[in-house]
Amino acid sequence: GAVVSQHPSRVICKSGTSVKIECRSLDFQATTMFWYRQFPKKSLMLMATSNEGSKATYEQGVEKDKFLINHASLTLSTLTVTSAHPEDSSFYICSAMTGIQETQYFGPGTRLLVL
Amino acid sequence: GEDVEQSLFLSVREGDSSVINCTYTDSSSTYLYWYKQEPGAGLQLLTYIFSNMDMKQDQRLTVLLNKKDKHLSLRIADTQTGDSAIYFCAESRDSSYKLIFGSGTRLLVRP
Repeated sequence: GAVVSQHPSRVICKSGTSVKIECRSLDFQATTMFWYRQFPKKSLMLMATSNEGSKATYEQGVEKDKFLINHASLTLSTLTVTSAHPEDSSFYICSAMTGIQETQYFGPGTRLLVL
Repeated sequence: GEDVEQSLFLSVREGDSSVINCTYTDSSSTYLYWYKQEPGAGLQLLTYIFSNMDMKQDQRLTVLLNKKDKHLSLRIADTQTGDSAIYFCAESRDSSYKLIFGSGTRLLVRP
């Protein structure tokens, strides 16, 4: 139980284009999902907290117009990197929280490379 | 992860015990977690401990929490080559459930 998927697992795009990453909770409903960014050999940095049916809460220093988050249903949250630049290249990981155990379950991550 | 610190690297021989240490600064932490990350993959929750507990054991894993010193450790008994990975400790504070991660400890298990 508590499986979280991400799609795509890997994406390469040209500078200036937008990329959408999906995060799905497969066997549970997640009222809250989190988006993290991980640089090579570094820790995870929380970008934003996504609550179903409401606007995401962004961490300090994260541009909300750059990283658009939509949490349209209890099983799906999307992160759209708009007008991507090479410095946006990173490993993006989502997590979903079950309301009962308040434990975060992580997706497998999406590696984004912007050329 | 500047509020949560871990040593960067640990190397052990297969069959030995591994002890990964973590220190944190916020005394209001409610839950403390250990996650495992294999290369190119997401994070797998290994175990967690509530802040009012001293110890938690789960098969080969033992978590010790010293709240006074704000020190958390993960002991892996009979370490196997499949345990080679990066291990992250994380804390959550108050009711926000946001996780603050340490920098990760890379565990290498030698045959």
